[in-house]
Amino acid sequence: GDSVTQMEGPVTLSEEACLTINCTYTATGYPSLFWYVQYPGEGLQLLLKATKADDKGSNKGFEATYRKETTSFHLEKGSVQVSDSAVYFCALSDPGNQFYFGTGTSLTVIP
Amino acid sequence: EADIYQTPRYLVIGTGKKITLECSQTMGHDKMYWYQQDPGMELHLIHYSYGVNSTEKGDLSSESTVSRIRTEHFPLTLESARPSHTSQYLCASHERGGNTIYFGEGSWLTVV
Repeated sequence: GDSVTQMEGPVTLSEEACLTINCTYTATGYPSLFWYVQYPGEGLQLLLKATKADDKGSNKGFEATYRKETTSFHLEKGSVQVSDSAVYFCALSDPGNQFYFGTGTSLTVIP
Repeated sequence: EADIYQTPRYLVIGTGKKITLECSQTMGHDKMYWYQQDPGMELHLIHYSYGVNSTEKGDLSSESTVSRIRTEHFPLTLESARPSHTSQYLCASHERGGNTIYFGEGSWLTVV
């Protein structure tokens, strides 16, 4: 079945450091791919998405590129801020609109 | 921004009490979901619905029940709460044919 595997956390970075959170997927069809962010005490918010191969999703300085050849959707940011501290979830939806979430990666950014 | 609302946000109740967590969305979405999540951990699907009068159990066995009498409303009920039910419960929805799922802010339940 379809699944998402993302980098284990927790990740701790200094402010202004570069961030990469790895995400790979397994899917039989052509899924849409997502990154969600969860700030402490809140629900999940959509951060960015990509619906087809080679699409790049971007938002708030974060970006991720849908790579069909490597079945990956890694999340990147060039310079993280303390306010980026959160848990990040990679997800996919298959053509039947079933959703699959990764296990989440906790990010802490220290000043 | 998604218009999906959960109440209560935080609740502390005693063992054996009955509790209903409310979830409403104003987007007219057909599909709705309940996930259980320990803080910062993975999501576990416990119930979902594809429309009015449709409810299904999810991947994680749960002692809770749900109902879907109206499109916009998907309450979750625990008949007899136990400390093992202490967790965050997240409600979500998406429209038929849509590929983006939207979440409420969550309900934190503590059973003492």
